[in-house]
Amino acid sequence: AQSVTQLDSQVPVFEEAPVELRCNYSSSVSVYLFWYVQYPNQGLQLLLKYLSGSTLVKGINGFEAEFNKSQTSFHLRKPSVHISDTAEYFCAVRNFGNEKLTFGTGTRLTIIP
Amino acid sequence: SQTIHQWPATLVQPVGSPLSLECTVEGTSNPNLYWYRQAAGRGLQLLFYSVGIGQISSEVPQNLSASRPQDRQFILSSKKLLLSDSGFYLCAGTSGPQGVGYTFGSGTRLTVV
Repeated sequence: AQSVTQLDSQVPVFEEAPVELRCNYSSSVSVYLFWYVQYPNQGLQLLLKYLSGSTLVKGINGFEAEFNKSQTSFHLRKPSVHISDTAEYFCAVRNFGNEKLTFGTGTRLTIIP
Repeated sequence: SQTIHQWPATLVQPVGSPLSLECTVEGTSNPNLYWYRQAAGRGLQLLFYSVGIGQISSEVPQNLSASRPQDRQFILSSKKLLLSDSGFYLCAGTSGPQGVGYTFGSGTRLTVV
């Protein structure tokens, strides 16, 4: 079975400050990992993904994430946030050979001017 | 690249009325397709997925059903809506290398009154 935990339901951050959104997964096999962003009343947009290779993955809008197999984590980071980063962020995992993507419960990122 | 089309964007329906939400895929052949529901302030719940025409897997027993009459068409239905069916419905399809990523539609906001 695969599962994802996003410990922080809400994260307030001042504009231009750095941010880290935490994601831990559980799986007994190799995994693919994803981060999605959702703006109000919209679908989900892929920020970045880890499929294989380098554990540091860079995505759109200046975000990056690092896959840490020993800690089963895939935390999302951005060195300097903007007002436009205000959104809901979802971490997701998919086991090798599994047809389904399992999502975390999401983290609401609020940028404070 | 793959595009997922969903309509309508918003829908208000009375309790007991039928429902039909349509999702169509552009740019990919034979994708896996998924219906998710997102209740207010909550994460994404997988409702149904399909790996091919006429093949539907149900994840959660409920008042809804799904069908896949064509390779690029996925329909979510209900004969009689309940208040608890309100939510944000998202269609997704597999995309990218090895088909491991998902592309999402823009969603349908359903309010049952």
